[in-house]
Amino acid sequence: GPKVLQIPSHQIIDMGQMVTLNCDPVSNHLYFYWYKQILGQQMEFLVNFYNGKVMEKSKLFKDQFSVERPDGSYFTLKIQPTALEDSAVYFCASSLNYEQYFGPGTRLTVL
Amino acid sequence: GQGVEQPDNLMSVEGTFARVNCTYSTSGFNGLSWYQQREGHAPVFLSYVVLDGLKDSGHFSTFLSRSNGYSYLLLTELQIKDSASYLCAVRDGGSWQLIFGSGTQLTVMP
Repeated sequence: GPKVLQIPSHQIIDMGQMVTLNCDPVSNHLYFYWYKQILGQQMEFLVNFYNGKVMEKSKLFKDQFSVERPDGSYFTLKIQPTALEDSAVYFCASSLNYEQYFGPGTRLTVL
Repeated sequence: GQGVEQPDNLMSVEGTFARVNCTYSTSGFNGLSWYQQREGHAPVFLSYVVLDGLKDSGHFSTFLSRSNGYSYLLLTELQIKDSASYLCAVRDGGSWQLIFGSGTQLTVMP
């Protein structure tokens, strides 16, 4: 089936630094999402993005977070500055309608 | 409060069946999806239901009762490779976000 790619698969970073997580969504999809999963806990919605704008965001989507998809390239999640509690697996998803396709996740470790 | 609940673990035997339960409580409802997830891999979409009743998709079938806030995923003719985590996710009202359960780890024994 259609595949969503995420780069990198793992990222280790010092607290306070900036990190950018990259997502290559399914080519004809219009809606893009980020979810966060802390080890052993359920996946939680962060944000969704459509037509160049944030449509919805949860309370987990702190002011230090931002998303963009410049010129139809990667859909990115930037965290600046990072905090210890940002350590988690971040999943990107894309969709045309209700069926969201997920990437394999980026494991972010903040030291 | 709002939430999606699933049992943590389920065991069954190869060649038989397994039913993965999900209960939800949300302020609105705009469909329920099931995903399969293996460790270190992307969740894989299995099924989407928005109307009451049983939706038979062969190896996977899905049941929904909106009045009871309940769904199940039924796997028949189980194979060892069906061992995975199964995630239930609800779309709340006019929102696009999915509210996930914590997943049920299914183990299929020989």
